[in-house]
Amino acid sequence: KQEVTQIPAALSVPEGENLVLNCSFTDSAIYNLQWFRQDPGKGLTSLLLIQSSQREQTSGRLNASLDKSSGRSTLYIAASQPGDSATYLCAVSTTAGNKLTFGGGTRVLVKP
Amino acid sequence: SAVISQKPSRDICQRGTSLTIQCQVDSQVTMMFWYRQQPGQSLTLIATANQGSEATYESGFVIDKFPISRPNLTFSTLTVSNMSPEDSSIYLCSVVVLLASVNNEQFFGPGTRLTVL
Repeated sequence: KQEVTQIPAALSVPEGENLVLNCSFTDSAIYNLQWFRQDPGKGLTSLLLIQSSQREQTSGRLNASLDKSSGRSTLYIAASQPGDSATYLCAVSTTAGNKLTFGGGTRVLVKP
Repeated sequence: SAVISQKPSRDICQRGTSLTIQCQVDSQVTMMFWYRQQPGQSLTLIATANQGSEATYESGFVIDKFPISRPNLTFSTLTVSNMSPEDSSIYLCSVVVLLASVNNEQFFGPGTRLTVL
């Protein structure tokens, strides 16, 4: 059974610092990995998707890496802003088009 | 991507009653899912909504409690039956869009926040 863990559970940084969020999974036979953002009481916004054959994806200030063999992904957010404050969730799928298994999330606070 | 709407956005219900949540997508999708997010927790998959046939439920979730319909490629409903306070959660639908199905990227609706008294 796939298990996804995110460390740390919460993170507080001053504005301008880079953020590093970690995600680990127990079964390396994944199809893809997605990073999401969730604002309080809201739905999920897809940030980045990495296919199992890829090592990283970038979008603006966001960069996500994937090391499938070691079961790890890292989300980097450069030059953090107060608007980046949210909960960040990673999720993996093990078969094409199938269900996602989510980590517990990292709650981020960027202080102005 | 896809524009996904859910109705209602929130509701407060009495125990023992039922609530039906609707999920509408603006484009044809290959797969639709229903998730639950209990307070302070991450998301747990309830079931995969199958067009024209019975939904596929995950361990711990049953059709009598969470009946699901999916009459076409763009619409699904989830009913939370005989509610108790433990059903208080955010319920989210997600989709895999047909044109983006090669990546199997999932997109989520805004969620329905349910409080059961």
